[in-house]
Amino acid sequence: EVQLVESGGGLIQPGGSLRLSCAASGFTVSSNYMIWVRQAPGKGLEWVSLIYSTGITFYADSVKGRFTISRDNSKNTLYLQMNSLRVEDTAVYYCAKGTNIRGDGFDLWGQGTVVSVSS
Amino acid sequence: DIQMTQSPSSLSASVGDRVTLTCRASQHIDNYVNWYQQKPGKAPKLLISVASSLQSGVPSRFSGSGSGTDFTLIISNLQPEDFASYYCQQSYGTPTFGGGTKVEIK
Repeated sequence: EVQLVESGGGLIQPGGSLRLSCAASGFTVSSNYMIWVRQAPGKGLEWVSLIYSTGITFYADSVKGRFTISRDNSKNTLYLQMNSLRVEDTAVYYCAKGTNIRGDGFDLWGQGTVVSVSS
Repeated sequence: DIQMTQSPSSLSASVGDRVTLTCRASQHIDNYVNWYQQKPGKAPKLLISVASSLQSGVPSRFSGSGSGTDFTLIISNLQPEDFASYYCQQSYGTPTFGGGTKVEIK
Protein backbone atom coordinates (compact mmCIF):
# COMPACT_ATOMS: atom_id res chain seq x y z
CA GLU A 1 0.00 0.00 0.00
CA VAL A 2 1.22 3.47 -0.87
CA GLN A 3 1.16 5.58 2.28
CA LEU A 4 2.91 8.05 4.53
CA VAL A 5 2.88 7.70 8.31
CA GLU A 6 4.08 10.57 10.50
CA SER A 7 5.26 10.27 14.06
CA GLY A 8 7.24 12.20 16.65
CA GLY A 9 4.86 14.94 17.64
CA GLY A 10 4.08 15.84 21.21
CA LEU A 11 4.00 18.50 23.89
CA ILE A 12 7.23 20.44 24.22
CA GLN A 13 8.31 23.57 26.06
CA PRO A 14 9.38 26.69 24.18
CA GLY A 15 13.02 26.44 23.18
CA GLY A 16 12.89 22.67 22.98
CA SER A 17 13.50 20.30 20.09
CA LEU A 18 11.54 17.57 18.34
CA ARG A 19 12.21 15.34 15.37
CA LEU A 20 9.28 14.37 13.21
CA SER A 21 9.42 11.25 11.07
CA CYS A 22 7.47 10.40 7.93
CA ALA A 23 7.76 6.74 6.97
CA ALA A 24 6.89 5.96 3.38
CA SER A 25 5.74 2.71 1.85
CA GLY A 26 4.94 1.81 -1.72
CA PHE A 27 7.27 4.37 -3.26
CA THR A 28 10.79 5.75 -2.79
CA VAL A 29 11.16 8.97 -0.81
CA SER A 30 14.50 9.87 -2.37
CA SER A 31 13.04 9.78 -5.89
CA ASN A 32 10.31 12.24 -5.09
CA TYR A 33 9.67 15.88 -4.19
CA MET A 34 8.63 15.83 -0.53
CA ILE A 35 7.23 18.57 1.65
CA TRP A 36 6.28 19.32 5.23
CA VAL A 37 3.14 21.40 5.64
CA ARG A 38 1.64 22.56 8.93
CA GLN A 39 -1.73 23.77 10.06
CA ALA A 40 -2.15 25.76 13.24
CA PRO A 41 -5.39 25.23 15.16
CA GLY A 42 -8.29 26.71 13.19
CA LYS A 43 -5.97 28.11 10.53
CA GLY A 44 -4.99 27.36 6.95
CA LEU A 45 -2.15 25.39 5.43
CA GLU A 46 1.42 26.67 5.59
CA TRP A 47 4.37 25.09 3.84
CA VAL A 48 7.33 24.54 6.12
CA SER A 49 10.09 22.84 4.18
CA LEU A 50 10.68 20.87 1.02
CA ILE A 51 13.31 18.59 -0.45
CA TYR A 52 13.71 17.83 -4.13
CA SER A 53 14.79 14.41 -5.38
CA THR A 54 18.17 16.05 -6.06
CA GLY A 55 18.53 16.77 -2.35
CA ILE A 56 18.09 20.53 -2.67
CA THR A 57 16.13 21.91 0.26
CA PHE A 58 14.10 25.04 0.96
CA TYR A 59 12.55 26.49 4.10
CA ALA A 60 9.81 28.96 4.87
CA ASP A 61 11.16 32.17 6.39
CA SER A 62 9.30 31.41 9.62
CA VAL A 63 11.43 28.31 10.29
CA LYS A 64 14.68 29.06 8.47
CA GLY A 65 17.67 28.42 10.71
CA ARG A 66 15.61 26.42 13.20
CA PHE A 67 14.22 23.48 11.20
CA THR A 68 16.09 20.97 9.05
CA ILE A 69 14.57 18.58 6.54
CA SER A 70 16.38 15.36 5.71
CA ARG A 71 15.78 11.83 4.52
CA ASP A 72 17.18 8.38 5.26
CA ASN A 73 17.17 6.36 2.08
CA SER A 74 17.80 3.08 3.90
CA LYS A 75 14.67 3.61 5.98
CA ASN A 76 12.68 5.32 3.20
CA THR A 77 11.82 7.99 5.72
CA LEU A 78 11.60 11.78 5.67
CA TYR A 79 12.47 13.81 8.76
CA LEU A 80 11.95 17.29 10.13
CA GLN A 81 14.29 18.31 12.91
CA MET A 82 12.75 21.20 14.79
CA ASN A 83 14.92 23.23 17.17
CA SER A 84 14.30 26.39 19.20
CA LEU A 85 10.58 25.72 19.09
CA ARG A 86 8.20 28.61 19.64
CA VAL A 87 4.58 28.76 20.75
CA GLU A 88 3.66 29.77 17.20
CA ASP A 89 5.04 26.45 15.88
CA THR A 90 2.06 24.69 17.46
CA ALA A 91 0.26 22.89 14.65
CA VAL A 92 -0.57 19.63 12.96
CA TYR A 93 2.39 18.73 10.78
CA TYR A 94 1.81 16.81 7.56
CA CYS A 95 4.30 15.30 5.17
CA ALA A 96 3.29 14.96 1.54
CA LYS A 97 4.60 13.71 -1.80
CA GLY A 98 4.69 15.77 -4.97
CA THR A 99 3.00 14.51 -8.10
CA ASN A 100 6.14 15.18 -10.11
CA ILE A 101 9.63 16.58 -9.76
CA ARG A 102 8.42 20.19 -9.64
CA GLY A 103 5.65 19.51 -7.17
CA ASP A 104 2.59 20.28 -9.26
CA GLY A 105 0.33 19.30 -6.45
CA PHE A 106 0.82 16.93 -3.54
CA ASP A 107 -1.11 13.73 -4.12
CA LEU A 108 -0.22 11.65 -1.06
CA TRP A 109 -0.42 12.96 2.50
CA GLY A 110 0.19 11.47 5.89
CA GLN A 111 -2.37 11.56 8.66
CA GLY A 112 -0.55 14.36 10.47
CA THR A 113 1.23 14.57 13.81
CA VAL A 114 0.41 17.17 16.45
CA VAL A 115 3.10 19.45 17.84
CA SER A 116 2.13 21.54 20.84
CA VAL A 117 4.60 24.11 22.15
CA SER A 118 3.64 25.42 25.54
CA SER A 119 5.10 26.10 28.94
CA ASP B 1 7.15 34.60 -1.86
CA ILE B 2 4.12 34.48 -4.12
CA GLN B 3 0.96 35.30 -2.20
CA MET B 4 -2.28 33.47 -2.95
CA THR B 5 -5.55 35.16 -2.02
CA GLN B 6 -8.76 33.16 -1.94
CA SER B 7 -12.28 34.53 -1.95
CA PRO B 8 -14.69 34.31 -0.37
CA SER B 9 -13.29 33.07 2.93
CA SER B 10 -16.56 31.24 3.48
CA LEU B 11 -19.84 30.68 1.73
CA SER B 12 -23.17 29.02 2.43
CA ALA B 13 -24.76 26.90 -0.25
CA SER B 14 -27.38 24.22 -0.72
CA VAL B 15 -27.16 20.74 -2.14
CA GLY B 16 -27.45 20.99 -5.89
CA ASP B 17 -26.00 24.50 -6.11
CA ARG B 18 -23.16 25.54 -8.36
CA VAL B 19 -20.42 27.28 -6.40
CA THR B 20 -17.44 29.26 -7.63
CA LEU B 21 -14.28 29.69 -5.58
CA THR B 22 -11.58 32.07 -6.69
CA CYS B 23 -7.87 32.36 -6.11
CA ARG B 24 -5.63 35.25 -7.12
CA ALA B 25 -1.85 35.15 -7.27
CA SER B 26 0.32 38.14 -6.42
CA GLN B 27 2.22 37.67 -9.68
CA HIS B 28 1.87 35.82 -12.96
CA ILE B 29 2.20 32.06 -12.36
CA ASP B 30 1.13 30.58 -15.72
CA ASN B 31 -1.18 27.69 -14.86
CA TYR B 32 0.71 26.41 -11.83
CA VAL B 33 -2.19 26.24 -9.41
CA ASN B 34 -3.43 23.21 -7.54
CA TRP B 35 -6.65 22.80 -5.56
CA TYR B 36 -7.27 20.76 -2.40
CA GLN B 37 -10.27 19.74 -0.36
CA GLN B 38 -9.91 19.34 3.39
CA LYS B 39 -12.46 17.99 5.81
CA PRO B 40 -12.18 18.53 9.61
CA GLY B 41 -9.50 16.40 11.21
CA LYS B 42 -8.30 15.03 7.89
CA ALA B 43 -5.36 15.66 5.61
CA PRO B 44 -5.90 17.70 2.45
CA LYS B 45 -6.87 15.85 -0.71
CA LEU B 46 -5.59 16.95 -4.12
CA LEU B 47 -8.49 17.62 -6.48
CA ILE B 48 -6.99 19.48 -9.41
CA SER B 49 -3.44 20.15 -10.53
CA VAL B 50 -2.00 22.69 -12.99
CA ALA B 51 -5.21 24.67 -12.97
CA SER B 52 -7.52 22.21 -14.70
CA SER B 53 -6.24 18.63 -14.54
CA LEU B 54 -8.69 16.55 -12.52
CA GLN B 55 -7.06 13.95 -10.33
CA SER B 56 -8.02 10.32 -10.76
CA GLY B 57 -11.12 9.43 -8.79
CA VAL B 58 -12.28 13.01 -8.31
CA PRO B 59 -15.88 13.53 -9.46
CA SER B 60 -16.37 15.45 -12.67
CA ARG B 61 -18.55 18.03 -10.91
CA PHE B 62 -15.23 19.61 -9.86
CA SER B 63 -13.54 21.74 -12.48
CA GLY B 64 -10.74 24.25 -12.51
CA SER B 65 -9.69 27.02 -14.84
CA GLY B 66 -7.51 30.06 -15.11
CA SER B 67 -4.09 31.24 -16.08
CA GLY B 68 -1.80 34.07 -15.16
CA THR B 69 -3.04 35.46 -11.86
CA ASP B 70 -6.71 34.49 -11.63
CA PHE B 71 -7.99 30.99 -11.03
CA THR B 72 -11.34 29.38 -10.37
CA LEU B 73 -12.61 26.15 -8.85
CA ILE B 74 -16.20 25.35 -9.71
CA ILE B 75 -18.29 22.72 -7.98
CA SER B 76 -21.42 22.04 -9.95
CA ASN B 77 -24.34 20.21 -8.38
CA LEU B 78 -22.95 20.48 -4.84
CA GLN B 79 -23.24 17.22 -2.91
CA PRO B 80 -23.40 16.68 0.89
CA GLU B 81 -19.85 15.30 0.91
CA ASP B 82 -18.54 18.50 -0.70
CA PHE B 83 -19.04 20.63 2.38
CA ALA B 84 -15.45 21.22 3.38
CA SER B 85 -12.62 23.73 3.14
CA TYR B 86 -10.84 24.30 -0.15
CA TYR B 87 -7.32 25.58 -0.65
CA CYS B 88 -5.41 26.72 -3.70
CA GLN B 89 -1.63 26.31 -3.87
CA GLN B 90 0.85 27.65 -6.39
CA SER B 91 3.72 25.53 -7.68
CA TYR B 92 5.36 28.24 -9.82
CA GLY B 93 7.88 28.98 -7.07
CA THR B 94 8.36 27.63 -3.57
CA PRO B 95 4.86 26.47 -2.71
CA THR B 96 2.38 28.74 -0.99
CA PHE B 97 -1.24 28.16 -0.12
CA GLY B 98 -4.22 30.44 -0.15
CA GLY B 99 -6.09 31.13 3.06
CA GLY B 100 -8.90 28.76 2.16
CA THR B 101 -12.63 28.89 1.47
CA LYS B 102 -15.02 27.09 3.78
CA VAL B 103 -18.13 25.79 2.04
CA GLU B 104 -20.94 25.43 4.56
CA ILE B 105 -24.45 24.15 4.38
CA LYS B 106 -27.13 26.82 4.00
